[in-house]
Amino acid sequence: EVQLVESGGGLVKPGGSLRLSCAASGFTFSGAWMTWVRQAPGKGLEWVGRIKSKSDGGSTDYAAPVKGRFTVSRDDSKSTLYLQMNGLKTEDTAMYFCSTDVPYSDGAFDVWGQGTMVIVSS
Amino acid sequence: EIVLTQSPDTLSLSPGERATLSCRASQSVSSNSLAWYQQKPGQAPRLLIYGASSRATGTPDRFSGSGSGTDFTLTISRLEPEDFAVYYCQRHGGLPHTFGQGTRLEIK
Repeated sequence: EVQLVESGGGLVKPGGSLRLSCAASGFTFSGAWMTWVRQAPGKGLEWVGRIKSKSDGGSTDYAAPVKGRFTVSRDDSKSTLYLQMNGLKTEDTAMYFCSTDVPYSDGAFDVWGQGTMVIVSS
Repeated sequence: EIVLTQSPDTLSLSPGERATLSCRASQSVSSNSLAWYQQKPGQAPRLLIYGASSRATGTPDRFSGSGSGTDFTLTISRLEPEDFAVYYCQRHGGLPHTFGQGTRLEIK
């Protein structure tokens, strides 16, 4: 069964840091482009960032609101995706989902985790 | 950056009726790289359509996508009780992978 399981969310103060993890199973993680999407409470979906597979260069891309503060990385030996979040702001409060693309679609996300909640508050 | 605007914000219909949801892009979406998702409360989104008209694995055939350029449509031919949810369009095939603000499909 194809599965993504996020962890690492919690309550953090403004300016703090947090690292989210996304454990993948049931598919060839090393060949997948992986993405983080977030959803603030009661709001819509927002693309956060992605990492390509190493065979496609392994590059990362970020949405403007998080660029320079968030880092997406991967450990293919552990089939795990990470999101390092630094300099957190109250507006980063959201459910964070990891997802993976339909092959060759460049960003149509057909597999999603259940999400992990991040609350940034003093 | 391409901005996606969905209409209407809320659509009230009855089971068995036809639903038509719209997504308009501020610029032409290359290669018709437009996806549609369904999200129910407390759940992750579910991909329904990508490439404007290709059904994702497991998407019932009552869901269809159409459109090109800047105007796209998701049609649900005959609403089932489980179809009442929030629907998002999204640009893929280029960055950023912007989402629309969503259309809430509610039971009339």
